Amino acid sequence: EVQLVESGGGLVQRGGSLRLSCVGSGFIFRNYWMYWVRQAPGKGLVWVSHINSDGSTTTYADFVKGRFTISRDNAKNTVHLQMNSLRAEDTAIYYCLRALGSEGESWGQGTLVTVSS
Amino acid sequence: DVVMTQSPLSLPVTLGQPASISCRSSQSLVHSDGDTYLSWFQQRPGQSPRRLIYKVSNRDSGVPDRFSGSGSGTDFTLKISRVEAEDVGVYYCMQGTHWPPWTFGQGTKVEIK
Repeated sequence: EVQLVESGGGLVQRGGSLRLSCVGSGFIFRNYWMYWVRQAPGKGLVWVSHINSDGSTTTYADFVKGRFTISRDNAKNTVHLQMNSLRAEDTAIYYCLRALGSEGESWGQGTLVTVSS
Repeated sequence: DVVMTQSPLSLPVTLGQPASISCRSSQSLVHSDGDTYLSWFQQRPGQSPRRLIYKVSNRDSGVPDRFSGSGSGTDFTLKISRVEAEDVGVYYCMQGTHWPPWTFGQGTKVEIK
């Protein structure tokens, strides 16, 4: 069974940093692209970042460029999202997704990030 | 960026009746490889999203056959042939043809009348 488990969320002050992690199991992690998608309270889904299977290519939404960094450790089946210079508008549930090429498939349960102003 | 526009945004339905959600993209979603990367996701209350349909019309494993996807180019539809109580939630379309960014529709909330 495919499982994605996020962790690392919490309450942080504006301007602070958090590092999210997502551990995958039940599949060959190194074969898949991984995404982060977020959902602000009561709002829709917004793509944040992607990393390809070997970590050589990363992309970011404009609103996080220069502040967030995605990385992966295929030996540990883990993808990370380093979030710096956090803003109130970054408050959201952050989901990691497994993707086959450009198609998102399986979602984790999400981790809540709250940025206090 | 490709803009995805869903309608309606709210869809009250009677149990056992059909439901239909439209998703339109601001440009064609046909990829140069010939495929169309349009997916549909269901998010039940309090849960994370779950993919129902990929490449316009392919149902994911375990998805009931009352769900179907259709469309081409810029116009796509998700249909539920007979709505059941467990279908309540928000439905999103997402394009994966022109990336980055991957873009979602605003979501359509399905509720029981």
